[in-house]
Amino acid sequence: AQTVTQSQPEMSVQEAETVTLSCTYDTSESDYYLFWYKQPPSRQMILVIRQEAYKQQNATENRFSVNFQKAAKSFSLKISDSQLGDAAMYFCAYRGVYGGATNKLIFGTGTLLAVQP
Amino acid sequence: DAGVTQSPTHLIKTRGQQVTLRCSPKSGHDTVSWYQQALGQGPQFIFQYYEEEERQRGNFPDRFSGHQFPNYSSELNVNALLLGDSALYLCASSQLGQGGQAETQYFGPGTRLLVL
Repeated sequence: AQTVTQSQPEMSVQEAETVTLSCTYDTSESDYYLFWYKQPPSRQMILVIRQEAYKQQNATENRFSVNFQKAAKSFSLKISDSQLGDAAMYFCAYRGVYGGATNKLIFGTGTLLAVQP
Repeated sequence: DAGVTQSPTHLIKTRGQQVTLRCSPKSGHDTVSWYQQALGQGPQFIFQYYEEEERQRGNFPDRFSGHQFPNYSSELNVNALLLGDSALYLCASSQLGQGGQAETQYFGPGTRLLVL
């Protein structure tokens, strides 16, 4: 069974600085999708970024980028120029491509990011 | 373009009661997934609906049931509520892609259920 691990329960960053959130996963599949979702205190889960495993190029969305290391099964999120609005719980998630694994997201336990002014 | 909506936002029930939560998917989406998020945890997959059928189910008891309507909206029903059912219930919608893959899931704001 696939698992997702986020080893940093909490992180803190100064406004305008850069922070990296870690995520590792375990799977025997060669093709899959990885996601980072953000859940602010208002609780709506918002998609931050998505990465297809077959793509070697790391995904980027404005100030958000990932470092996808397929062999190491690592998928970290880098937030550049951190803003107060980035404060939230961040979840790493995995979705398979084959069979029933395509239907569900498997989430890590989350990293709570605080942004200091 | 309306996103995923859920109702109600909050709900308080007592043990043994039954509850129904509702979800309207994002425009253009045909697939609805439900997740349970306990306090301080990541969401756990309950089940997914497509074409009014349950496609897959997570590790949840039969007390959890669902339904999808022809307009793609969905309901989650929980019978015989337990204290442990207190959680945030999230609905996510997506478009079923080629090969039967459910594409990127977009979440609603959730329903906070408290069981006393």
